[in-house]
Amino acid sequence: GQNIDQPTEMTATEGAIVQINCTYQTSGFNGLFWYQQHAGEAPTFLSYNVLDGLEEKGRFSSFLSRSKGYSYLLLKELQMKDSASYLCAVRALAGAGSYQLTFGKGTKLSVIP
Amino acid sequence: KAGVTQTPRYLIKTRGQQVTLSCSPISGHRSVSWYQQTPGQGLQFLFEYFSETQRNKGNFPGRFSGRQFSNSRSEMNVSTLELGDSALYLCASSLEVTDLTGELFFGEGSRLTVL
Repeated sequence: GQNIDQPTEMTATEGAIVQINCTYQTSGFNGLFWYQQHAGEAPTFLSYNVLDGLEEKGRFSSFLSRSKGYSYLLLKELQMKDSASYLCAVRALAGAGSYQLTFGKGTKLSVIP
Repeated sequence: KAGVTQTPRYLIKTRGQQVTLSCSPISGHRSVSWYQQTPGQGLQFLFEYFSETQRNKGNFPGRFSGRQFSNSRSEMNVSTLELGDSALYLCASSLEVTDLTGELFFGEGSRLTVL
């Protein structure tokens, strides 16, 4: 099975930087995703890492260390609209050449003025 | 390009009843996955279909079933509903399981309340 851990809640100030960590244990690792979910809405794709290192996309960056089973999502220049849940998800081999995406329970980020 | 469409958006059922939820993926997407989302457990994988075949199944009882049609539309069914089945059921589609990122595109969900 898979075990994905991320903090339940975080609070940060508008304009600041926040880092949301995610640790995982899995076999057959095939990629790590971050999704954003605003309250009452569907999750939307933010980033994807399959190799070690940092992927930058505007104000958002995601880092992966496969040897440590560790990833983080970095949000810069926080805006009020960034208040949402951030879901870490790991894709792994599920057997017979197929893959399965498993989600962590999500980190609820509150951005305050 | 239309997104993933789920119907119905909201429904209320009583214990013991059964329910069928529908999902129309993005045009051209052949993979459809279903997830159950609850406040306590987060997003939990139910099953995934590709070209009308179930590829993977999560750890849910046999009361949860699904199918996919030749046009890639998918349905999931929950029989003998229990109070604990109250949740948001999310459908997600993707191009291929093994495409470059395989990112999922989610629908708005069907919110089921069991009384």
